[in-house]
Parts: sequence; C-alpha cells; structure tokens
Amino acid sequence: AQKVTQAQTEISVVEKEDVTLDCVYETRDTTYYLFWYKQPPSGELVFLIRRNSFDEQNEISGRYSWNFQKSTSSFNFTITASQVVDSAVYFCALSEASGGSYIPTFGRGTSLIVHP
Amino acid sequence: DVKVTQSSRYLVKRTGEKVFLECVQDMDHENMFWYRQDPGLGLRLIYFSYDVKMKEKGDIPEGYSVSREKKERFSLILESASTNQTSMYLCASSSPRTGHQETQYFGPGTRLLVL
Repeated sequence: AQKVTQAQTEISVVEKEDVTLDCVYETRDTTYYLFWYKQPPSGELVFLIRRNSFDEQNEISGRYSWNFQKSTSSFNFTITASQVVDSAVYFCALSEASGGSYIPTFGRGTSLIVHP
Repeated sequence: DVKVTQSSRYLVKRTGEKVFLECVQDMDHENMFWYRQDPGLGLRLIYFSYDVKMKEKGDIPEGYSVSREKKERFSLILESASTNQTSMYLCASSSPRTGHQETQYFGPGTRLLVL
C-alpha cells in the first residue's frame, strides 16, 4: 500500500526566510508519481508540481524548488525567500501506476505560516 | 485551464437532512472524485467515477452516495446528514486524454456544517 508522511504539522517563519517542507513516501511500485499541492485559506487545492519516479532531476520554479531522492524516498519542497502569500497548507501526494487507477494518497499536510 | 466548480462554498444543514453537493468540470474529464478534508487527517477519498453512470467506493463511503448522470457533473449525496459529516468537501477531476491522468484538478471546496 502506498503511504505519504509529512512529519511537519505546522511551520512558522518570518518573511524572507527559506523553508523546507518534508515529504517521505512508501511504495512498492517502480512507476509512480509524486505531487505537491498548495491550499491557500480560500480552500482550493492548487497543483504545483508532478514528478514521475524515473525523473530524479531537481526542479526549480522561481522561488520554489523540489528535491526528489529515491534513495531516501523523499520529495522535499523548498521555498526560498518566503513571502506572506506563501502562507497555506501544503500537501504532498503519491500516485501509483499499477492497477491503472492513479488515485493519489495524500499526506496530512503541512501548514506554513509566514509572518511579515 | 481546467475549471472545477462546486455549487456552494459554505453550507449549513440540520441533522437528518438530505444534502446534495454538486461538482461540475468544464474540461470533458472522464474521472471525477469526491474527498473530505478534516484537520490533521488530510484528504480522504469518498467516491470516484471513471465514466457516466459509473461509481466506485473510496476509502470512506459510509453515509454517502454519488450520482454521475452527465460526464461533466458529479454529485455527492448525504442521505441523512449527521454532525460527524461536518467537513470540507473537495471535488477533483482528471483525464487519461491529457497524458497525465494521475494529475487531479480541484474545485474550491464546500465547507459543510451539520447542526
């Protein structure tokens, strides 16, 4: 069974600090997908990134970067120079390809609070 | 851009009422999903559907049913609302035709309070 652990329940930082959100996953599949979603106070989950299990390249998008390490089954998310608008709940998710259902399992989320 | 809409952002109902939560997507997606989100528990799958008139139980289907009469619309029904169904309900859709059916797109959510 697939499993996603976000050990950090809540993180509080001051604006301009860098912050890393941790995500550790478990799966027996060799083909799988990892995701990060952002949920601002408005409630909608916003898709941020998808990474498949064969692509371990780290990705950078503006102030956001993702570090995928299969050796440690981790897919961590770093926000550089955090801003108040980054305050949200962030979910990591895992979707296995076996069975063809592609239904993701979500972590419990990390609440990020960025203080001005 | 994919647009998933939910009929209500906030809803207050009384115990025992029948509640309908509507979800509509405008991208002709085959797959639609209903989740509930509770603090500390993340998202839990209630029901999903891969096609019209088709439905599958998720992890926590008890107390819920669904209806998919049209491809774009997926309704979640609480036959007799109870206080433990007070929650945030999120609808999502995806499609294998996008080449990324593993990626779900979410609506804004409905915060349901059952009194």
